[in-house]
Amino acid sequence: QQPVQSPQAVILREGEDAVINCSSSKALYSVHWYRQKHGEAPVFLMILLKGGEQKGHEKISASFNEKKQQSSLYLTASQLSYSGTYFCGTERNSGGYQKVTFGIGTKLQVIP
Amino acid sequence: DSGVTQTPKHLITATGQRVTLRCSPRSGDLSVYWYQQSLDQGLQFLIQYYNGEERAKGNILERFSAQQFPDLHSELNLSSLELGDSALYFCASSLATSHEQFFGPGTRLTVL
Repeated sequence: QQPVQSPQAVILREGEDAVINCSSSKALYSVHWYRQKHGEAPVFLMILLKGGEQKGHEKISASFNEKKQQSSLYLTASQLSYSGTYFCGTERNSGGYQKVTFGIGTKLQVIP
Repeated sequence: DSGVTQTPKHLITATGQRVTLRCSPRSGDLSVYWYQQSLDQGLQFLIQYYNGEERAKGNILERFSAQQFPDLHSELNLSSLELGDSALYFCASSLATSHEQFFGPGTRLTVL
């Protein structure tokens, strides 16, 4: 089942902060976050495992609330290079194996 | 460069035809994933293989099939092509499911 991401799109000025949310109706094993720039392949940002751990990647961090089956990606002091589409992938058990399903993405545009 | 290679880069064909997309995973990665991305759409998971065995299936049409060979490279076969099959097809690889996925550059398929 595809996770739900919000917002669908956001425009920021350089230096502003943003939060992208990802939620699932099913119990999750982990949440993956990827960024895809226009015309390029998705690139890994981070994986959050069960335990509510908050991870960081430069000025991008994320949290995972396993009880609520939700994850949030925090972008602080945004830079022009942050522009792209952000995908969350939710991993859960399916037929005895772990399976990752991606949301439709959140388009982020950072303007000067 | 993610280390994942995909061939061909572009493919233009007619409706009703059959094509084969090829993917070579990163050295050491046992899992291979196939995704379809249509214009302004998210990453639609098609299928995953792990060390030669099918591990998980997503929204893969019956006209599509895939396999992973003993040398771990994978092929995605698309048959009886329709206009709606036009999309960017990504292959990704990882050490295992709960690990970072490395995406190839994609194969852009155009069905005329």
